[in-house]
Amino acid sequence: AQSVTQLDSQVPVFEEAPVELRCNYSSSVSVYLFWYVQYPNQGLQLLLKYLSGSTLVKGINGFEAEFNKSQTSFHLRKPSVHISDTAEYFCAVSDSGTYKYIFGTGTRLKVLA
Amino acid sequence: GAGVSQSPRYKVAKRGQDVALRCDPISGHVSLFWYQQALGQGPEFLTYFQNEAQLDKSGLPSDRFFAERPEGSVSTLKIQRTQQEDSAVYLCASRTGQISYNEQFFGPGTRLTVL
Repeated sequence: AQSVTQLDSQVPVFEEAPVELRCNYSSSVSVYLFWYVQYPNQGLQLLLKYLSGSTLVKGINGFEAEFNKSQTSFHLRKPSVHISDTAEYFCAVSDSGTYKYIFGTGTRLKVLA
Repeated sequence: GAGVSQSPRYKVAKRGQDVALRCDPISGHVSLFWYQQALGQGPEFLTYFQNEAQLDKSGLPSDRFFAERPEGSVSTLKIQRTQQEDSAVYLCASRTGQISYNEQFFGPGTRLTVL
C-alpha cells in the first residue's frame, strides 16, 4: 500500500531564511504528488501538484517542489519565508488510476521574527 | 464563488450520543470525500462518493460510522454511540470529477470532542 513519510514534525526558521520540508513516498509505477497547507482553524489549501513532465513544480506563495523518482521524494522549498507562512504543511500522494489521497503526518512550519 | 462548507464547526458530545456532521460541496462537484484528522496527524480517508453512490467506505473505523449523500450534493456523516476515540476533526472535500489528479477542495472541518 502507498505511504507518505514526513520526517520533520516541526521546522523552526527565521524570517527571510530559506526552508525545505521533506516528503518521501513509497515506490509506485506512477503517482501524483501534492502539497497542501493548513492554516489554524481552516481547511487544506493546495500549494502545488506534480502530475508529469518537468520535475520542478512551482506553486502559490513562492513555494516550489522537486520530484525525484530515484529517491521517491517530493521536497517542498521556499527561498525566503515570511511570518505568514507559519502553518501546517501536508504532503499527499495518489496512485494514478485511483481516487484516494494518502497524506503524511504533516510538518509544522514556524517562522520566527 | 462558495467553497466547501461544513457544519457545525465545533461539536461537543457526551459519550454515547449520536452526532451528525454536514458537508455542502462545491456546486457541480461529482466526487465527495470524508477524512478524519486526529490531533497531530494527517487526514485519513474515511469514505468516497461519486454522485449519490458510496463507492468506497473502507476507511470507516466501525459500523457506528455511517455516511450518505442521497441527492448527490449535500452529504452527512453520522456517528452513533460516540466514543472518546472519535474525537477528531472531520474534513470534507469535493472534486470536479473522478480523475485522481484533479484537485480536492477541502472544507474547514468539524471539530468533534467527545467527553
